Amino acid sequence: DGGITQSPKYLFRKEGQNVTLSCEQNLNHDAMYWYRQDPGQGLRLIYYSQIVNDFQKGDIAEGYSVSREKKESFPLTVTSAQKNPTAFYLCASSTGTSPTGELFFGEGSRLTVL
Amino acid sequence: DAKTTQPNSMESNEEEPVHLPCNHSTISGTDYIHWYRQLPSQGPEYVIHGLTSNVNNRMASLAIAEDRKSSTLILHRATLRDAAVYYCIGGGSNYKLTFGKGTLLTVNP
Repeated sequence: DGGITQSPKYLFRKEGQNVTLSCEQNLNHDAMYWYRQDPGQGLRLIYYSQIVNDFQKGDIAEGYSVSREKKESFPLTVTSAQKNPTAFYLCASSTGTSPTGELFFGEGSRLTVL
Repeated sequence: DAKTTQPNSMESNEEEPVHLPCNHSTISGTDYIHWYRQLPSQGPEYVIHGLTSNVNNRMASLAIAEDRKSSTLILHRATLRDAAVYYCIGGGSNYKLTFGKGTLLTVNP
């Protein structure tokens, strides 16, 4: 089945540790996105990538890093510089960044910092 | 991207139609209106989008006001599986879609 796979589904980390969340898509989409969601809140854009080897900061990029070495993969690293990393992280993809393109989301990764 | 206003929550009965309103008075002429929904502990899923004309698909209908300052998502016959948070978004590009708090729809059996 075509879709987006995020792993791990649940992740616990100690303060001061970096952690990398995986996002893989087999939809042959050019654009990929990372969002953060806090309880009872909407989604906020962290980073997005329109094409391989290129990515742009979203609204809340501080404390996060990404790479886009392959079309199908867009991993997100939550660094120790992120002050409040406990959240639900969602990866998405689309055929492009035009307004008529549907966003396809993964099932999310829930990160808890102990 | 346009600022949107939605009710925090709405309630419906199973098998009845549901009309979910959204105000987007600051929307620009080229911004599309998108609707997504999110089930608990899942990622959002696309529902429908439109620019000026009313739109229908297998999931829902989208009625857009003539002045484009508001729109209504219509679920023709609500089922228990339609219980979710519904997001109304006004955006010019996919990376400018702002997912606010949305409307929590409860469907009663």
